[in-house]
Amino acid sequence: DAGITQSPRHKVTETGTPVTLRCHQTENHRYMYWYRQDPGHGLRLIHYSYGVKDTDKGEVSDGYSVSRSKTEDFLLTLESATSSQTSVYFCAITDSGRGGVHNEQFFGPGTRLTVL
Amino acid sequence: ILNVEQSPQSLHVQEGDSTNFTCSFPSSNFYALHWYRWETAKSPEALFVMTLNGDEKKKGRISATLNTKEGYSYLYIKGSQPEDSATYLCAFGTGTASKLTFGTGTRLQVTL
Repeated sequence: DAGITQSPRHKVTETGTPVTLRCHQTENHRYMYWYRQDPGHGLRLIHYSYGVKDTDKGEVSDGYSVSRSKTEDFLLTLESATSSQTSVYFCAITDSGRGGVHNEQFFGPGTRLTVL
Repeated sequence: ILNVEQSPQSLHVQEGDSTNFTCSFPSSNFYALHWYRWETAKSPEALFVMTLNGDEKKKGRISATLNTKEGYSYLYIKGSQPEDSATYLCAFGTGTASKLTFGTGTRLQVTL
């Protein structure tokens, strides 16, 4: 199994509070991704990183920010959580390949976030 | 936003049946097509990554084909078993960005 962990695994928070989710990898892979999974939508990309301090937006980035100060860690922050951000969040990693899409992605175990 | 569509949305088959699913994606700027298997309460796991038109991949009873010119891929499962029950996701990768766009998946349920 790819060495990828997420923390916390479960979190319940209140509307308006900041929340940070952590993705940690031991594979030294260049690319890291944050997705959210919602019924009827499959996996939607929030943000991704293609190197330390290099990040870009995905299709559902509003309300989220990310940071990557080390190869192994990719943080997802909800500055002010809303109920619409209740979801399961998955981190994924992949090796470089040609632009990062030629190699399979390895997924973390997921974080279930509930915003009340 | 790229449009990646999967059909059917769900499928219920009997053990031993063979089945197939479809993934449709844009035919322009193609770089890769991924298939993932996602069991309930687990994380998605890669089945195949295909990059060339006409690619065919096989893993046990599961195989996939790719047609980049017309923008579709088929996933086949021969002799379905209950352990094949899962959601099967396809994902499209373009050359303009290092990211995948996922379809919403086909949920397969195999009963005895």
